[in-house]
Amino acid sequence: AQKVTQAQTEISVVEKEDVTLDCVYETRDTTYYLFWYKQPPSGELVFLIRRNSFDEQNEISGRYSWNFQKSTSSFNFTITASQVVDSAVYFCALSRNQAGTALIFGKGTTLSVSS
Amino acid sequence: EAGVAQSPRYKIIEKRQSVAFWCNPISGHATLYWYQQILGQGPKLLIQFQNNGVVDDSQLPKDRFSAERLKGVDSTLKIQPAKLEDSAVYLCASSPPKGAATGELFFGEGSRLTVL
Repeated sequence: AQKVTQAQTEISVVEKEDVTLDCVYETRDTTYYLFWYKQPPSGELVFLIRRNSFDEQNEISGRYSWNFQKSTSSFNFTITASQVVDSAVYFCALSRNQAGTALIFGKGTTLSVSS
Repeated sequence: EAGVAQSPRYKIIEKRQSVAFWCNPISGHATLYWYQQILGQGPKLLIQFQNNGVVDDSQLPKDRFSAERLKGVDSTLKIQPAKLEDSAVYLCASSPPKGAATGELFFGEGSRLTVL
């Protein structure tokens, strides 16, 4: 069975602090995709990143970075120098390595960034 | 390119009433998903269509929920009769055909249902 666990329910930081959102997954598949989505107050899920299980290289995109470690089944997301606009619910998700496969989501982490 | 369209955005009904939600996916996207997101939880898949056929409806409460995608384009999700626990946001998503897919789903803004 596939499962995604986001142990942090809520995180509050002050602007310019760095923050890491944790994600641990379970799957019996040897190949799979991992995702992070952002859900701002408007409600629409916004795609942030997709990582194939073959590719364990860390990725950086501006203030965002992702650390994928197969050995610990983790796919953590770090925001550097957080901003108020980063306040949202962040979801980690998992899917099989097949086109058109549904995503399995974690429960989400609510990030609040205050000025 | 137009995104995934959903309507209505908000709906309030009494328990035991019925409600229907509509979704129009991105043009050319063969796969369509309905997710239920209860407050404070992650989205949960209700049903997945590939063109006009059902791929996965294992988590759809079939005694009260139904969905169709008759022409393989837009889709309707119906709840009848509604229960209090059906209060949630119903998200529609679509993804490109096999061979063009990256695994990424494109989501609509959702339809928020409140059952009183």
